[in-house]
Amino acid sequence: GAVVSQHPSRVICKSGTSVKIECRSLDFQATTMFWYRQFPKQSLMLMATSNEGSKATYEQGVEKDKFLINHASLTLSTLTVTSAHPEDSSFYICSAPPSGRASDTQYFGPGTRLTVL
Amino acid sequence: EDQVTQSPEALRLQEGESSSLNCSYTVSGLRGLFWYRQDPGKGPEFLFTLYSAGEEKEKERLKATLTKKESFLHITAPKPEDSATYLCAVMRDKIIFGKGTRLHILP
Repeated sequence: GAVVSQHPSRVICKSGTSVKIECRSLDFQATTMFWYRQFPKQSLMLMATSNEGSKATYEQGVEKDKFLINHASLTLSTLTVTSAHPEDSSFYICSAPPSGRASDTQYFGPGTRLTVL
Repeated sequence: EDQVTQSPEALRLQEGESSSLNCSYTVSGLRGLFWYRQDPGKGPEFLFTLYSAGEEKEKERLKATLTKKESFLHITAPKPEDSATYLCAVMRDKIIFGKGTRLHILP
């Protein structure tokens, strides 16, 4: 199957700092990527859709000024958590459809565990 | 409101004991239903995509089926390495995940 990577796999930061998470498609080009958040024993919640060359689309209740998304190339999307607080601690996961169609099968990255102290 | 409900929440089976996981959905205009496996601390691993009622797909000990209201993930003669959380997701204009079924296979 298609490969999606994330970096870093784990990050610990102090409250008030910003953290950048990278999502890369390694063997296909991704015009669209998706960012999710998962709390312990909860399901994945879609945060935003990242579109190459245009603005991201955010789900209701997700602050776009806090979660900055940049889809700079066809293989890279970044999520920056600005002024992070303990309640932002979570498991962040990205996905992308190799076909380029959002309705098709998504392949997921391994996730990034963010802990804000 | 679009909803995806998975049952049971957790399931413990003996090695070799076959069973089924359920995913019921209320989504108008379904464009696809997906099954994923997720191990602790990792991203979901793709298993199957189903597009229309009556469709079935198999992979090793797993078989996924789809009706107009629900999907089943059948696991035949499971092994301890099949222990994981199995996630169901549906796609309309965006993907919606269920909460998953935590499956534990005892040796």
